[in-house]
Amino acid sequence: QITLKESGPTLIKPTQTLTLTCTFSGFSLSTIGVGVGWIRQPPGKALEWLALINWKDGKEYSPSLKSRLTITKDTSKNQVVLTMTNMDPVDTGTYYCAHRVAPFYFDYWGQGTLVTVSS
Amino acid sequence: DVVMTQTPLSSPVTLGQPASISCRSGQSLVHSDGNTYLNWLQQRPGQPPRLLIYKISNRFSGVPDRFSASGAGTDFTLKISTVEAEDVGVYYCMQTTQFPYTFGQGTKLEIK
Repeated sequence: QITLKESGPTLIKPTQTLTLTCTFSGFSLSTIGVGVGWIRQPPGKALEWLALINWKDGKEYSPSLKSRLTITKDTSKNQVVLTMTNMDPVDTGTYYCAHRVAPFYFDYWGQGTLVTVSS
Repeated sequence: DVVMTQTPLSSPVTLGQPASISCRSGQSLVHSDGNTYLNWLQQRPGQPPRLLIYKISNRFSGVPDRFSASGAGTDFTLKISTVEAEDVGVYYCMQTTQFPYTFGQGTKLEIK
């Protein structure tokens, strides 16, 4: 059974760096074809894909946010970490991590974590 | 980026009646491997997204067979044969053919 859970601060000040952790079980990020992605959703708005890391440590980022994002994995801990620098109130929203299987789709999602950016 | 455009953005439907959502991509979603990675997700109120359909028309595990999907190239459709109360929510198409992955704006399905 695949599960994912996001964790991190619920409130962060503008200009600070956000660090989110996705802790998962039921799969290994060293398995060929597997990836973990991050997707966010501002309140009442659509989903936006942010980043992906795969089993061979390949990384992809949203071009519009690439300069602010870093995604890493710790295979031994079954964790993926996303950092986003220079947070702004427009970055407020629910952040999800999701398991990506090959061929490419996100089949399991975490419950999400709401991050509010406010001074 | 591949722009994904959904219509309608809101769909009031009577229980037991069919519903249909369209998704159009700004460019072909055919991957170099020959597959088309167009997926449909459902997001019920207060819930995370849930995969319904992958690669145009494949129902994910546990998805009721009242959900079906079709399409090719740049035009795709999700259909619900008979809408049930639990189908209320927002439906998104998502392409995973090329990076950056992109979503449609979402279609809100509500009961009349």
